[in-house]
Amino acid sequence: GENVEQHPSTLSVQEGDSAVIKCTYSDSASNYFPWYKQELGKRPQLIIDIRSNVGEKKDQRIAVTLNKTAKHFSLHITETQPEDSAVYFCAAASGGSYIPTFGRGTSLIVHP
Amino acid sequence: NAGVMQNPRHLVRRRGQEARLRCSPMKGHSHVYWYRQLPEEGLKFMVYLQKENIIDESGMPKERFSAEFPKEGPSILRIQQVVRGDSAAYFCASSQGQRPEQYFGPGTRLTVT
Repeated sequence: GENVEQHPSTLSVQEGDSAVIKCTYSDSASNYFPWYKQELGKRPQLIIDIRSNVGEKKDQRIAVTLNKTAKHFSLHITETQPEDSAVYFCAAASGGSYIPTFGRGTSLIVHP
Repeated sequence: NAGVMQNPRHLVRRRGQEARLRCSPMKGHSHVYWYRQLPEEGLKFMVYLQKENIIDESGMPKERFSAEFPKEGPSILRIQQVVRGDSAAYFCASSQGQRPEQYFGPGTRLTVT
């Protein structure tokens, strides 16, 4: 089955800095890669996703890149703000059922 | 437009009791997924359902756990004879047809005493 590795497990940055979270996956059939943000005690929220026919996608301060050859994808957050503090999960899924396999999460802390 | 609804939000059960968790998908969504999340861990897939059908239950423990999504009403995740190890947050998510985007409910936090 699919295996998703996520790094780092904890990321501490100063407000205004950039943050990068990296994930690797094992199943070459995976073609959908969502990212979720989960604040403490809250539901995971889909913040951005990318499909395998695209190498990069951007939405305001958030961008995701995908390297299919190397089987890795990354989340980039620019100009971080304290409200970006949360746990971020990457996931990989393949067409059909699109059942995602999640990484273990990255706890992002943005210091004001 | 209401999002994914789950109830109860918190559930306390003694060992050996049954737990019933409910999930109402977003309007227009016909696919439901259940996940379990332990503290400081990721989300683990349990089961994927469409109306009146279990599509994939590869993540469900073989005993004590069952799920359904009837023609009318919410999807239900049932845990019989709960044990302390069942304590976790249980999230459901819904999606629309063949679109991959999943939207999560607020979760049910189950505590087994």
